[in-house]
Amino acid sequence: DAGVIQSPRHEVTEMGQEVTLRCKPISGHNSLFWYRQTMMRGLELLIYFNNNVPIDDSGMPEDRFSAKMPNASFSTLKIQPSEPRDSAVYFCASSLTSGPEWGTDTQYFGPGTRLTVL
Amino acid sequence: AQKITQTQPGMFVQEKEAVTLDCTYDTSDPSYGLFWYKQPSSGEMIFLIYQGSYDQQNATEGRYSLNFQKARKSANLVISASQLGDSAMYFCAPRPSNYQLIWGAGTKLIIKP
Repeated sequence: DAGVIQSPRHEVTEMGQEVTLRCKPISGHNSLFWYRQTMMRGLELLIYFNNNVPIDDSGMPEDRFSAKMPNASFSTLKIQPSEPRDSAVYFCASSLTSGPEWGTDTQYFGPGTRLTVL
Repeated sequence: AQKITQTQPGMFVQEKEAVTLDCTYDTSDPSYGLFWYKQPSSGEMIFLIYQGSYDQQNATEGRYSLNFQKARKSANLVISASQLGDSAMYFCAPRPSNYQLIWGAGTKLIIKP
């Protein structure tokens, strides 16, 4: 079975440019998470969706960041305009469920997108 | 506030020895899950093992097992018969109910041949 798919794997861009990161969750999973990982701040949850609906975006750094999930098999994270401090590894993860009845809702991660903003 | 403590920022262990990675957490929620992930130098985040707070027995998964002590709010990961491929960062991540995963800072494990 295919795991979580992310593209691109690496992205190098210049400050001010728009960056779009893409994610395809595991088929059948109904929750999707976007994380950012840096040496300074560790792993941070940016936003998560349940059944394609954004549930909590309190981790999104600022208005330059936006995320969408138009259907159950695709999500994007967009940064516009990008800044050097956005350089990080961005992970997408999916799970079977993520409600209050948490159960064994293991999150499975994609390989990540390493973003470098010059 | 929820807090995770992984007291060992780095560990060196001889190949084939057992390893214990510490994790303590601070949650008032009586119901939660406890997850461990591995992140090798290649960067991917790999799920290893899960423990529910009401599970009667400690979780085991192959060479991985959890030493779960609910009263102490401790869930240490034990890796038996360590291998060179176990060298990686290891993250403990509790998930209280009505909340998302809370990530520790991780422990860097290096297995020496």
